[in-house]
Formats: sequence, C-alpha cells, structure tokens
Amino acid sequence: KAGVTQTPRYLIKTRGQQVTLSCSPISGHRSVSWYQQTPGQGLQFLFEYFSETQRNKGNFPGRFSGRQFSNSRSEMNVSTLELGDSALYLCASTSRGGSSYEQYFGPGTRLTVT
Amino acid sequence: GENVEQHPSTLSVQEGDSAVIKCTYSDSASNYFPWYKQELGKGPQLIIDIRSNVGEKKDQRIAVTLNKTAKHFSLHITETQPEDSAVYFCAAIRYNTDKLIFGTGTRLQVFP
Repeated sequence: KAGVTQTPRYLIKTRGQQVTLSCSPISGHRSVSWYQQTPGQGLQFLFEYFSETQRNKGNFPGRFSGRQFSNSRSEMNVSTLELGDSALYLCASTSRGGSSYEQYFGPGTRLTVT
Repeated sequence: GENVEQHPSTLSVQEGDSAVIKCTYSDSASNYFPWYKQELGKGPQLIIDIRSNVGEKKDQRIAVTLNKTAKHFSLHITETQPEDSAVYFCAAIRYNTDKLIFGTGTRLQVFP
C-alpha cells in the first residue's frame, strides 16, 4: 500500500505570493491533518479534514487555509507569504478502526520564502 | 493549554548502550501517545505507540511506558545502533481530535 504523498517536495516563493501544497493520503484513510515544522517552533498543528469538512484548526492566521476533496486528497494554501512561513509542511493521514488509531506522515514540502 | 514537554533535547550514547527519552503532557484527556523518528530530509515515522489503558508496550529493541497519574511517558531503546541516530518526537492526542501535540524533539546520536 502506498504511503502518504506530498507535492511538490520543494518550493521557493517570494514574499507576498501565494502557494498551494497537495497531499494524497494512504488509500482508505479519510482524515488528513497538516502540520508546520520549523526549527524554532517545532511541529505545530495547522488543521484537520475529514470527509471534506474541517474538524479542527490550530492557532494560525487566516492566511493559512485548506480543503479536502471527495477522494480524500487535500490541499493547503498560504496567501500573502511572509519570510516566517518558511518551513517544512507535513501532511498526515489517519487510520482509525475500533480501538486502532495511527497517524502516518508524508515526506513533507519544504517551502522557502525569500 | 495543551502542552508536551520532552527531555533531553540531545542525547549521545555509545553503540550498544540504552537510551531513554522522557515526556510529560498537560491535557489529562489525552489517551493516545505515539513516538516518531525523523531522519534528515524525511517526514516523521511512527515507531511505537501506547494507549491510555496500557502501562507498557514493547517492540523488539524499543519500549514505551506510560504513567497516567503522573502524566509521564517514556521511550526506551536498548542495544542502540548507529542507524538509531535521528530526532525522536513524542506526542499526545485525544482520539476524537486527530490533533497531535508534539514534544520539542530529542536528537539522538549513537557513536560506533
């Protein structure tokens, strides 16, 4: 079974631009979560989608948004990029069943804002 | 608010020695505690987890213990090998949120 895939793997953008990142969860997983990883702040939760609905949201400004499609694929968008948005953006898909629960991460998209 | 503290931030051991990483969580409603290993240029990889109704779990050279009363959980790696070198993250979550709260990470270096 293929793992979580994220595209693109690397991205360089300029301040003020906007960016869209894509995530395909593991087949059969309906929940997708997004995290931002930086050296200073560590791993921080952005938001989580289940069946095309945002169920949870972290403490990030409205410039960060996301959506999920009917095939569970998800995208996140960052508008009006700032230098501080440079980070590794990680997507995770969740396997849930009975008492079983596991969250698997993709390789991430490295975003550099100049 | 929700918080997970992780110690130590760096850990250096000789090959064959044991390594222990400790975490403390603040949200008493947390009921699932995964551990992730992250190698350079890769996403976090789930290596072991424990649920709140279990006190200890072992998988070959790695084990995790949970003390719900003290809100502590720990990762134990025995017979460490150079390929164990990576950054390890603990996390806590409530099942119905899918929102992992991560510790700050421990950089483990295993010297041959």
